[in-house]
Amino acid sequence: AQTVTQSQPEMSVQEAETVTLSCTYDTSESDYYLFWYKQPPSRQMILVIRQEAYKQQNATENRFSVNFQKAAKSFSLKISDSQLGDAAMYFCAYRSGNTPLVFGKGTRLSVIA
Amino acid sequence: GAGVSQSPSNKVTEKGKDVELRCDPISGHTALYWYRQSLGQGLEFLIYFQGNSAPDKSGLPSDRFSAERTGGSVSTLTIQRTQQEDSAVYLCASSRTVYQETQYFGPGTRLLVL
Repeated sequence: AQTVTQSQPEMSVQEAETVTLSCTYDTSESDYYLFWYKQPPSRQMILVIRQEAYKQQNATENRFSVNFQKAAKSFSLKISDSQLGDAAMYFCAYRSGNTPLVFGKGTRLSVIA
Repeated sequence: GAGVSQSPSNKVTEKGKDVELRCDPISGHTALYWYRQSLGQGLEFLIYFQGNSAPDKSGLPSDRFSAERTGGSVSTLTIQRTQQEDSAVYLCASSRTVYQETQYFGPGTRLLVL
């Protein structure tokens, strides 16, 4: 079975600094998608970024970028120029084919003014 | 366009009562998913629907849980004879199809069983 591991339960970053959230996963599939979702206190899960496994180029979305290492099964999220609004729970997730999303336990990010 | 909506936002019930949670997916999305988010348990898959196909119920924790999707749109998750361990946030998501598409989430229903 596929598993997703987020080894950092909590992280903090100074406003305007850069922070990297870690995620590793285990799968025997070769074709899959990886996602980072943000969940603020409002509970709404918001898609931050997604990566197709067949693409070598790392996905980027404005201040958010990933470091996708397929061989190492690693998928970290880098947040640049951190803002107070970035404070939230961040979940790494995996899916392949028609399977539902498999989530990590989440990382709570605090942003310090 | 409108996102995924869920109702009620919060629900408090007594142990042993039945509850119904509603999800209205994004228009045109054929796939609909239910997840449960419990303290200390993370997010776990419950059930998904794809078009007119039989739903995948493999994540339902017990036979007290059931779900239906009427007309390929709105879905209702029903929990019978609620237990305190059912207390959680129930999240609904939809996607255009079930195959590797991005899932978009609703705001969730927080269920508290006293």
